[in-house]
Amino acid sequence: QQQVKQSPQSLIVQKGGISIINCAYENTAFDYFPWYQQFPGKGPALLIAIRPDVSEKKEGRFTISFNKSAKQFSLHIMDSQPGDSATYFCAASMGGGGNKLTFGTGTQLKVEL
Amino acid sequence: GAGVSQSPRYKVTKRGQDVALRCDPISGHVSLYWYRQALGQGPEFLTYFNYEAQQDKSGLPNDRFSAERPEGSISTLTIQRTEQRDSAMYRCASSLGVTSGNTIYFGEGSWLTVV
Repeated sequence: QQQVKQSPQSLIVQKGGISIINCAYENTAFDYFPWYQQFPGKGPALLIAIRPDVSEKKEGRFTISFNKSAKQFSLHIMDSQPGDSATYFCAASMGGGGNKLTFGTGTQLKVEL
Repeated sequence: GAGVSQSPRYKVTKRGQDVALRCDPISGHVSLYWYRQALGQGPEFLTYFNYEAQQDKSGLPNDRFSAERPEGSISTLTIQRTEQRDSAMYRCASSLGVTSGNTIYFGEGSWLTVV
């Protein structure tokens, strides 16, 4: 049972454009929603995270938008740069669940010059 | 150490052999997690420890998989009688605490190939 669905599978964006990656979850007990960034040959690294008590969180060029009623959240990368080319994973965890993360299937982002 | 350290980075083993994968978490991190990541997929939870206690092993695929963390620091994931379907990247991760929201830091993983 896939509890976190992610789309698109891959994305090509021009330098300076906006990259948008979407995730939807099923379990309403989830209370923490991080996004991880993974470069080839490396482990996933935390990029930005949000809790469901806020609808948006911004850190530099990265913004998470959260829609609790729709059980959806998205990552927006403003002014996308070639260095942002990586695989992005959304994830979710729940209080009482031991901080274990349930990951989406990943989005491979390529930012072209 | 500075980050989560895993060894070996690459392991090729013959079907039926046992393998042991080692993880050294970030110093002071109480919680340690094992994930498996197939090519083109997100990490899939296997098991986690709080100190030396294994709190959740619901993600272990079958009884050929086991993990231990006897002194609350280094952990070993053991796969007995390996099968080709066990071939994957095995990632270890750690966090300061076990409550939801503690940042989880991943290692670079151990690539296992079963031939």
